[in-house]
Amino acid sequence: AQSVTQPDIHITVSEGASLELRCNYSYGATPYLFWYVQSPGQGLQLLLKYFSGDTLVQGIKGFEAEFKRSQSSFNLRKPSVHWSDAAEYFCAVGASGAGSYQLTFGKGTKLSVIP
Amino acid sequence: EAGVTQFPSHSVIEKGQTVTLRCDPISGHDNLYWYRRVMGKEIKFLLHFVKESKQDESGMPNNRFLAERTGGTYSTLKVQPAELEDSGVYFCASSRVRASLTDTQYFGPGTRLTVL
Repeated sequence: AQSVTQPDIHITVSEGASLELRCNYSYGATPYLFWYVQSPGQGLQLLLKYFSGDTLVQGIKGFEAEFKRSQSSFNLRKPSVHWSDAAEYFCAVGASGAGSYQLTFGKGTKLSVIP
Repeated sequence: EAGVTQFPSHSVIEKGQTVTLRCDPISGHDNLYWYRRVMGKEIKFLLHFVKESKQDESGMPNNRFLAERTGGTYSTLKVQPAELEDSGVYFCASSRVRASLTDTQYFGPGTRLTVL
């Protein structure tokens, strides 16, 4: 069965600083990988996804993520954080095949931004 | 286009009572998913409908949970009787026509359930 680890529960960065949120997954085959963000009172919004091809994926709001098979990682990055990026971020993996389309999520990383 | 909506946003009930959560997917989305997040833990999959049929209910915790999607539109998730460990946030998501991981799952804001 697949699993996702987000080792950082809470991260605080200053506005304008760079950001990297870590995600490690466990899955035997090529995974489908996702990053979602949840702002207070909102549903989860998809930031980006990776299925195949170029391992550097560009998403919305200036985010990008890099798939590294050798490290089983899919870290999320942003070069300059804005105060509006304060939210909770979830990494997820989807398992293809056998008619299953469920996503397996990590525990989430809460991002605080200092003005 | 309206997003996925869920009702109620919050529910507080006592142990042993019944609660029904509702999810309205994005119009035209055949796939509907329920997930749950217990405090401090991961968001976990409960089940997946394709139209009115249950495609995958492997995540349903026990038979106190009953999900329905009559007519293939909105869905309800009933918990009867509720236990303390059922507390958490229940998310609904929907995706377009063909069930596929390449199809984005759009999530609602969730229903926060508290069982006292």
